[in-house]
Amino acid sequence: DQQVKQNSPSLSVQEGRISILNCDYTNSMFDYFLWYKKYPAEGPTFLISISSIKDKNEDGRFTVFLNKSAKHLSLHIVPSQPGDSAVYFCAASGSGNQFYFGTGTSLTVIP
Amino acid sequence: DAGVIQSPRHEVTEMGQEVTLRCKPISGHDYLFWYRQTMMRGLELLIYFNNNVPIDDSGMPEDRFSAKMPNASFSTLKIQPSEPRDSAVYFCAIRREGETGELFFGEGSRLTVL
Repeated sequence: DQQVKQNSPSLSVQEGRISILNCDYTNSMFDYFLWYKKYPAEGPTFLISISSIKDKNEDGRFTVFLNKSAKHLSLHIVPSQPGDSAVYFCAASGSGNQFYFGTGTSLTVIP
Repeated sequence: DAGVIQSPRHEVTEMGQEVTLRCKPISGHDYLFWYRQTMMRGLELLIYFNNNVPIDDSGMPEDRFSAKMPNASFSTLKIQPSEPRDSAVYFCAIRREGETGELFFGEGSRLTVL
């Protein structure tokens, strides 16, 4: 059963606007969360992460928000650029070494 | 670029044939993971190794799947016999002990079983 869920398979946003990608998880033992970006024919690459002791982490145009009570995290990209068009995977890990990934959200930024 | 080389990049085979996917980490690591990507389930963990020792293979779907890591620079994922439902992109990823948890992925092997 999916412990990390991304319920939006795709998202389209105009260039310059904000992109918001959402992720839900079911396991309250998860304490570290990551976002990966994947271009076609390439492997996923690390984008940004957040520890469960924080509720926000920012890196340039990318901000990840964590709501532990709702078991929800989101990735905000602002302003969105055409080069941001990719599939974004949410991932979570707990005390072990396993990373649980969602099914991905395909973001298209329209010029 | 942490450097994970996977081969083949693309493999097309017929049902019942044996498939071997290869992973060659070219930078230091303590953990090596095999993932499978499908539209329905996203990235699924199949198995991972710590210092070349298999730690958790509970994600391996069936006995048809096996993985080995004879040394720190090489790992294989074998499917025998292959079936059409095995069609997916298979990724190898590495991680170093004590780091923040970031995984470095290879470019993947796209398998099509006819």
